[in-house]
Amino acid sequence: QVQLQESGPGLVKPSQTLSLTCTVSGGSISSGSYYWSWIRQPAGKGLEWIGRIYTSGSTNYNPSLKSRVTISVDTSKNQFSLKLSSVTAADTAVYYCASQPWLTPAAFDIWGQGTMVTVSS
Amino acid sequence: SYVLTQPPSVSVAPGKTARITCGGNNIGSKSVHWYQQKPGQAPVLVIYYDSDRPSGIPERFSGSNSGNTATLTISRVEAGDEADYYCQVWDSSSDHPGVVFGGGTKLTVL
Repeated sequence: QVQLQESGPGLVKPSQTLSLTCTVSGGSISSGSYYWSWIRQPAGKGLEWIGRIYTSGSTNYNPSLKSRVTISVDTSKNQFSLKLSSVTAADTAVYYCASQPWLTPAAFDIWGQGTMVTVSS
Repeated sequence: SYVLTQPPSVSVAPGKTARITCGGNNIGSKSVHWYQQKPGQAPVLVIYYDSDRPSGIPERFSGSNSGNTATLTISRVEAGDEADYYCQVWDSSSDHPGVVFGGGTKLTVL
């Protein structure tokens, strides 16, 4: 049973880069069976998809965030990562990593528990 | 970009049936997934591909999708069903294909 766990700083200063990592356990990130996504949720608001990556390195990003987002995968560590640059208070949210079986348009069947990131000086 | 519209809130008495809608242009041509999110928890998939239930999800949860509206139906509602519900699709119609979520519906059990 695949499990996901987010990690990274809980506090980021405005204009800096937010960096988070999602560790995959119980399965191989390079199995080719999943897309790996980042999703965020500001307090009291809805879910916003940030983007996803396939094992091959192929990515899709939310157009509203594309200019600031980079998602990468490290197969040696069984991890994938999110970098969001030039953050502002509007980027304060709970950030989730999640997986979709590779056959689009699949659902997110596995989610991490989420990690809270606050953007503040 | 593709937009999914959900009612902000739905209220239902215990034992009754709750219907949560998700509107989108010709959504019937897309596959719709539904998630349940309780306070402080990550979302949980409750319906995928319009009407399939993951293992462990009660049969009380069902889904349908036609025309411009997808619907999540919860029969014999229980207090434990109180949560936020989100619909989701994959939008391949634009130059930038991607995941789209509805705004979410808060289900209140009276």
